[in-house]
This record gives sequence, structure tokens and C-alpha cells, in this order.
Amino acid sequence: DADVTQTPRNRITKTGKRIMLECSQTKGHDRMYWYRQDPGLGLRLIYYSFDVKDINKGEISDGYSVSRQAQAKFSLSLESAIPNQTALYFCATSDPYSGRRDEQFFGPGTRLTVL
Amino acid sequence: ELKVEQNPLFLSMQEGKNYTIYCNYSTTSDRLYWYRQDPGKSLESLFVLLSNGAVKQEGRLMASLDTKARLSTLHITAAVHDLSATYFCAVPPRFGNEKLTFGTGTRLTIIP
Repeated sequence: DADVTQTPRNRITKTGKRIMLECSQTKGHDRMYWYRQDPGLGLRLIYYSFDVKDINKGEISDGYSVSRQAQAKFSLSLESAIPNQTALYFCATSDPYSGRRDEQFFGPGTRLTVL
Repeated sequence: ELKVEQNPLFLSMQEGKNYTIYCNYSTTSDRLYWYRQDPGKSLESLFVLLSNGAVKQEGRLMASLDTKARLSTLHITAAVHDLSATYFCAVPPRFGNEKLTFGTGTRLTIIP
């Protein structure tokens, strides 16, 4: 099945460390997104990419950076992790030209803990 | 700026009962999406509502969209334990296929 995968699934790191979260998809979608989820705050958009050359900041991009290495791969980096970046991170994809328009398909998530 | 509000945020209901979750949004949009999330899991697409008056049903869940009122409802009929989850609505801007703004979610617990 075409799918969205994320690695690692769980990660514990220390304050100040650089960490990369990776997302791969086999859906053939051009659009990819990174979200973080905190209890009671829903999902907040960090970065999104409409194609390999088009990357945009979301509502909470400070402290994060991204790289779109190929259509299928979109990585999220925390340059210097801090404890309030402890959260559940989701990658998602979409195909706006499908009949279901903006519907997004989510990966399984990465649980990140920053000590 | 598009804002999406859901209520209630928490809902505990007995099996067999009916209830409705509400999703209000602040600016004009003609599409809305509902997702389900089980604890510790990812989000799963439930309903895609693409026009005013759209109604979709699957099993005990029914979703509708009123774009003039900027309101969507998710109705639960004769609740069963398997429906316990967090439900999110998400709204795109009216023009363009950019990004979804998610509501804060409704945590639904079905008790025997």
C-alpha cells in the first residue's frame, strides 16, 4: 500500500543536541507537511512544501528547519533542541488534484522527548 | 486569520446515546475535513465535505457542512465503545489548496 512513514518513531535527546526527523512517502504526492501535536493544542503546522523547490514556514517554524530532498522525502531538523520542543510530530502528504482536494494523509508520528 | 473551534472539548457519553460535536470556523471556506485519532496513534481521515449542504455517513457517524453558517457537525448515533477517540475537524482557506487549520479536537469517551 502507498504509505507515509516516519523515522524514528521515538526519540529521547538532550537539550542542545541537533536532531533530524525523517518522513518518506510512496503516495506520489507533491505536497508534504510537518506538524507538532501538544495536548490540548491540536495540530500546529511547522513547515510545508508544495514541491521540491517550494518550502514555506508554518505558524510555529522558529527553532526548526526542513529539507525536501526529493518528492518522496521531507526531513525536519531541530538545530538545538530545547525541552519545550517535546511533542508528537507528524508528517502528512496531500494531492490537491485528487477528487478529495486538501485531504491530508498522516504518518504514524514521532514521539520526541527533550531532556 | 482562520480560526477553527470545536465543542465540546471533552465528551463522555453512555453507550447507546446520541450526541453531536460542533466545528465552527471564522472565515469563509467551502470545504471541511474530519479526522479520527486513537490514543498514541496517527490521524485517520473520516469524512471529506466539499460543498455547502454536503452530508456524509459511515456507520454510526454522520457529518454535515453548512458553509453559510461556517459550521460542521459530527453526529454520533447509538454510540458504541469503539467510537472512543479524539475527533478533529480541519478547514482550508476558501481559495487555493494551501494548508489546513485544525480544531483543537474533541476527546470522546464512550462508557458502558
